[in-house]
Amino acid sequence: QSALTQPPSASGSPGQPVTISCTGSGSDVGVYNYVSWFRQHPGKAPKLIIYEVNKRPSGVPDRFSGSKSGNTASLTVSGLQAEDEADYYCSSYAGSNNWVFGGGTKLTVL
Amino acid sequence: EVQLVESGGGLVQPGGSLRLSCAASGFTFSTFWMSWVRQAPGKGLEWVANIKHDGSEKYYGDSVKGRFTVSRDNADHSLYLQMNSLRPDDTAVYYCARDQGYLLLDYWGQGTLVTVSS
Repeated sequence: QSALTQPPSASGSPGQPVTISCTGSGSDVGVYNYVSWFRQHPGKAPKLIIYEVNKRPSGVPDRFSGSKSGNTASLTVSGLQAEDEADYYCSSYAGSNNWVFGGGTKLTVL
Repeated sequence: EVQLVESGGGLVQPGGSLRLSCAASGFTFSTFWMSWVRQAPGKGLEWVANIKHDGSEKYYGDSVKGRFTVSRDNADHSLYLQMNSLRPDDTAVYYCARDQGYLLLDYWGQGTLVTVSS
Protein backbone atom coordinates (compact mmCIF):
# COMPACT_ATOMS: atom_id res chain seq x y z
CA GLN A 1 0.00 0.00 0.00
CA SER A 2 1.34 3.48 -0.85
CA ALA A 3 0.85 6.19 1.71
CA LEU A 4 -1.41 9.10 0.91
CA THR A 5 0.34 12.41 0.20
CA GLN A 6 -0.08 15.32 2.58
CA PRO A 7 1.89 18.58 2.75
CA PRO A 8 4.43 18.36 5.58
CA SER A 9 3.31 21.67 7.06
CA ALA A 10 0.53 24.24 7.02
CA SER A 11 -0.07 27.41 8.96
CA GLY A 12 -2.60 30.12 9.59
CA SER A 13 -3.43 32.95 11.94
CA PRO A 14 -6.05 32.71 14.67
CA GLY A 15 -9.53 33.12 13.28
CA GLN A 16 -8.48 32.36 9.71
CA PRO A 17 -9.23 29.21 7.74
CA VAL A 18 -6.67 26.65 6.65
CA THR A 19 -7.06 23.66 4.35
CA ILE A 20 -4.95 20.50 4.36
CA SER A 21 -4.94 18.24 1.32
CA CYS A 22 -4.63 14.47 1.14
CA THR A 23 -3.87 13.05 -2.28
CA GLY A 24 -4.32 9.41 -3.09
CA SER A 25 -5.16 7.54 -6.25
CA GLY A 26 -7.93 5.87 -8.16
CA SER A 27 -7.44 2.85 -5.89
CA ASP A 28 -8.23 4.55 -2.60
CA VAL A 29 -9.43 8.14 -2.12
CA GLY A 30 -10.74 8.33 -5.66
CA VAL A 31 -13.09 5.38 -5.38
CA TYR A 32 -14.04 5.04 -1.73
CA ASN A 33 -15.82 7.49 0.54
CA TYR A 34 -14.03 6.06 3.55
CA VAL A 35 -11.68 8.94 4.24
CA SER A 36 -11.00 9.83 7.86
CA TRP A 37 -9.01 12.63 9.47
CA PHE A 38 -7.24 12.47 12.82
CA ARG A 39 -5.69 15.17 14.97
CA GLN A 40 -2.72 14.36 17.19
CA HIS A 41 -1.20 16.61 19.81
CA PRO A 42 2.42 15.91 20.86
CA GLY A 43 2.72 12.88 23.08
CA LYS A 44 -0.97 12.08 22.80
CA ALA A 45 -3.03 9.49 20.95
CA PRO A 46 -4.71 10.54 17.70
CA LYS A 47 -8.32 11.71 17.82
CA LEU A 48 -10.90 11.17 15.09
CA ILE A 49 -12.26 14.46 13.74
CA ILE A 50 -13.77 13.53 10.37
CA TYR A 51 -15.00 10.21 8.97
CA GLU A 52 -16.55 9.12 5.68
CA VAL A 53 -15.13 12.21 3.97
CA ASN A 54 -17.28 14.87 5.64
CA LYS A 55 -18.96 13.57 8.78
CA ARG A 56 -18.06 14.82 12.23
CA PRO A 57 -18.16 12.61 15.32
CA SER A 58 -20.19 13.87 18.24
CA GLY A 59 -18.31 16.57 20.14
CA VAL A 60 -16.11 17.72 17.26
CA PRO A 61 -16.67 21.43 16.56
CA ASP A 62 -18.24 22.40 13.25
CA ARG A 63 -15.08 24.43 12.54
CA PHE A 64 -13.79 21.17 11.11
CA SER A 65 -15.09 20.09 7.72
CA GLY A 66 -14.07 17.57 5.10
CA SER A 67 -14.51 17.25 1.37
CA LYS A 68 -13.27 15.25 -1.58
CA SER A 69 -12.68 15.91 -5.25
CA GLY A 70 -11.32 13.17 -7.45
CA ASN A 71 -8.30 11.58 -5.81
CA THR A 72 -7.83 14.39 -3.27
CA ALA A 73 -9.53 14.79 0.07
CA SER A 74 -9.32 17.98 2.08
CA LEU A 75 -9.72 19.03 5.69
CA THR A 76 -10.65 22.64 6.38
CA VAL A 77 -10.31 24.19 9.79
CA SER A 78 -12.17 27.47 9.88
CA GLY A 79 -11.66 29.98 12.66
CA LEU A 80 -8.27 28.64 13.73
CA GLN A 81 -7.66 28.41 17.46
CA ALA A 82 -4.44 27.88 19.38
CA GLU A 83 -5.54 24.38 20.35
CA ASP A 84 -5.70 23.42 16.67
CA GLU A 85 -1.90 23.42 16.51
CA ALA A 86 -1.19 19.71 16.06
CA ASP A 87 -0.39 17.01 13.53
CA TYR A 88 -3.18 15.98 11.19
CA TYR A 89 -3.42 12.63 9.39
CA CYS A 90 -5.78 11.41 6.72
CA SER A 91 -6.61 7.77 6.07
CA SER A 92 -8.49 5.93 3.36
CA TYR A 93 -9.74 2.48 2.57
CA ALA A 94 -7.64 1.11 -0.29
CA GLY A 95 -9.66 -1.94 -1.21
CA SER A 96 -8.93 -5.61 -0.55
CA ASN A 97 -9.04 -5.04 3.19
CA ASN A 98 -6.18 -2.57 3.15
CA TRP A 99 -6.07 0.85 4.75
CA VAL A 100 -3.54 3.62 4.22
CA PHE A 101 -2.61 6.76 6.11
CA GLY A 102 -1.15 10.00 4.88
CA GLY A 103 2.29 11.09 6.02
CA GLY A 104 0.85 13.78 8.26
CA THR A 105 0.72 17.59 8.25
CA LYS A 106 2.01 19.75 11.05
CA LEU A 107 -0.38 22.67 11.50
CA THR A 108 1.06 25.80 13.09
CA VAL A 109 -1.13 28.57 14.44
CA LEU A 110 0.83 31.77 13.92
CA GLU B 1 -16.51 5.77 29.71
CA VAL B 2 -14.67 3.95 26.95
CA GLN B 3 -11.14 3.01 27.95
CA LEU B 4 -8.42 1.15 26.08
CA VAL B 5 -5.20 0.32 27.90
CA GLU B 6 -2.27 -1.23 26.07
CA SER B 7 0.51 -3.16 27.74
CA GLY B 8 3.34 -5.50 26.88
CA GLY B 9 5.73 -3.16 25.12
CA GLY B 10 9.43 -3.09 25.83
CA LEU B 11 12.90 -3.72 24.47
CA VAL B 12 13.42 -6.83 22.36
CA GLN B 13 16.29 -8.03 20.19
CA PRO B 14 15.94 -8.36 16.42
CA GLY B 15 14.36 -11.68 15.56
CA GLY B 16 12.60 -11.83 18.90
CA SER B 17 8.93 -11.92 19.82
CA LEU B 18 6.57 -9.83 21.90
CA ARG B 19 2.88 -9.98 22.72
CA LEU B 20 0.92 -6.80 23.18
CA SER B 21 -2.37 -6.65 25.05
CA CYS B 22 -5.17 -4.11 25.02
CA ALA B 23 -7.71 -4.16 27.84
CA ALA B 24 -11.07 -2.65 26.86
CA SER B 25 -13.82 -1.32 29.09
CA GLY B 26 -16.83 0.95 28.96
CA PHE B 27 -18.42 -0.56 25.85
CA THR B 28 -19.68 -3.89 24.52
CA PHE B 29 -16.33 -5.15 23.29
CA SER B 30 -17.75 -8.20 21.52
CA THR B 31 -19.71 -6.08 19.03
CA PHE B 32 -16.87 -3.95 17.63
CA TRP B 33 -14.03 -4.43 15.20
CA MET B 34 -10.69 -3.53 16.74
CA SER B 35 -7.51 -2.23 15.12
CA TRP B 36 -3.82 -1.85 15.83
CA VAL B 37 -2.03 1.22 14.50
CA ARG B 38 1.63 2.04 15.05
CA GLN B 39 3.78 5.15 14.92
CA ALA B 40 7.55 5.02 14.59
CA PRO B 41 9.42 7.72 16.53
CA GLY B 42 8.92 11.06 14.82
CA LYS B 43 6.98 9.45 11.98
CA GLY B 44 3.41 9.11 10.81
CA LEU B 45 0.70 6.59 11.52
CA GLU B 46 0.66 3.11 9.96
CA TRP B 47 -2.24 0.69 10.01
CA VAL B 48 -1.04 -2.69 11.32
CA ALA B 49 -4.01 -5.03 11.63
CA ASN B 50 -7.67 -5.33 12.45
CA ILE B 51 -10.04 -8.03 13.60
CA LYS B 52 -13.77 -8.51 13.29
CA HIS B 53 -15.93 -8.47 16.41
CA ASP B 54 -16.13 -12.27 16.56
CA GLY B 55 -12.55 -12.90 15.44
CA SER B 56 -13.66 -14.55 12.21
CA GLU B 57 -11.86 -12.04 9.96
CA LYS B 58 -8.37 -10.64 10.40
CA TYR B 59 -6.43 -8.35 8.07
CA TYR B 60 -2.85 -7.14 8.09
CA GLY B 61 -0.71 -4.45 6.57
CA ASP B 62 1.88 -5.66 4.06
CA SER B 63 4.82 -4.82 6.32
CA VAL B 64 3.68 -7.18 9.09
CA LYS B 65 1.88 -9.91 7.13
CA GLY B 66 3.18 -13.35 8.07
CA ARG B 67 4.95 -12.07 11.19
CA PHE B 68 2.19 -10.55 13.33
CA THR B 69 -1.04 -12.15 14.50
CA VAL B 70 -4.03 -10.29 15.89
CA SER B 71 -6.47 -12.05 18.21
CA ARG B 72 -9.07 -11.26 20.81
CA ASP B 73 -10.78 -12.73 23.85
CA ASN B 74 -14.28 -11.31 24.05
CA ALA B 75 -14.94 -12.96 27.41
CA ASP B 76 -11.95 -11.10 28.81
CA HIS B 77 -12.54 -7.87 26.82
CA SER B 78 -9.01 -8.08 25.50
CA LEU B 79 -7.24 -7.57 22.19
CA TYR B 80 -3.81 -9.00 21.44
CA LEU B 81 -1.02 -8.58 18.94
CA GLN B 82 1.55 -11.38 18.74
CA MET B 83 4.67 -10.03 17.06
CA ASN B 84 7.30 -12.47 15.80
CA SER B 85 10.52 -12.07 13.81
CA LEU B 86 10.76 -8.49 14.99
CA ARG B 87 12.95 -6.07 13.05
CA PRO B 88 14.40 -2.68 13.98
CA ASP B 89 11.87 -0.97 11.71
CA ASP B 90 9.07 -2.39 13.87
CA THR B 91 10.17 0.05 16.58
CA ALA B 92 7.13 2.21 17.28
CA VAL B 93 4.38 3.15 19.67
CA TYR B 94 1.57 0.66 19.15
CA TYR B 95 -1.98 1.86 19.65
CA CYS B 96 -5.13 -0.19 19.88
CA ALA B 97 -8.31 1.48 18.73
CA ARG B 98 -12.00 0.73 18.53
CA ASP B 99 -12.99 0.45 14.88
CA GLN B 100 -16.52 1.32 13.82
CA GLY B 101 -15.66 -0.03 10.38
CA TYR B 102 -13.46 1.21 7.55
CA LEU B 103 -10.89 2.61 9.98
CA LEU B 104 -13.44 4.79 11.76
CA LEU B 105 -11.22 4.71 14.85
CA ASP B 106 -13.25 6.56 17.43
CA TYR B 107 -11.40 5.60 20.61
CA TRP B 108 -7.67 5.02 21.08
CA GLY B 109 -5.49 3.77 23.87
CA GLN B 110 -2.48 5.68 25.12
CA GLY B 111 -0.07 3.41 23.26
CA THR B 112 2.77 1.12 24.27
CA LEU B 113 6.34 1.51 23.02
CA VAL B 114 8.10 -1.39 21.34
CA THR B 115 11.83 -1.01 20.74
CA VAL B 116 13.64 -3.55 18.60
CA SER B 117 17.36 -3.22 19.07
CA SER B 118 20.42 -5.25 19.94
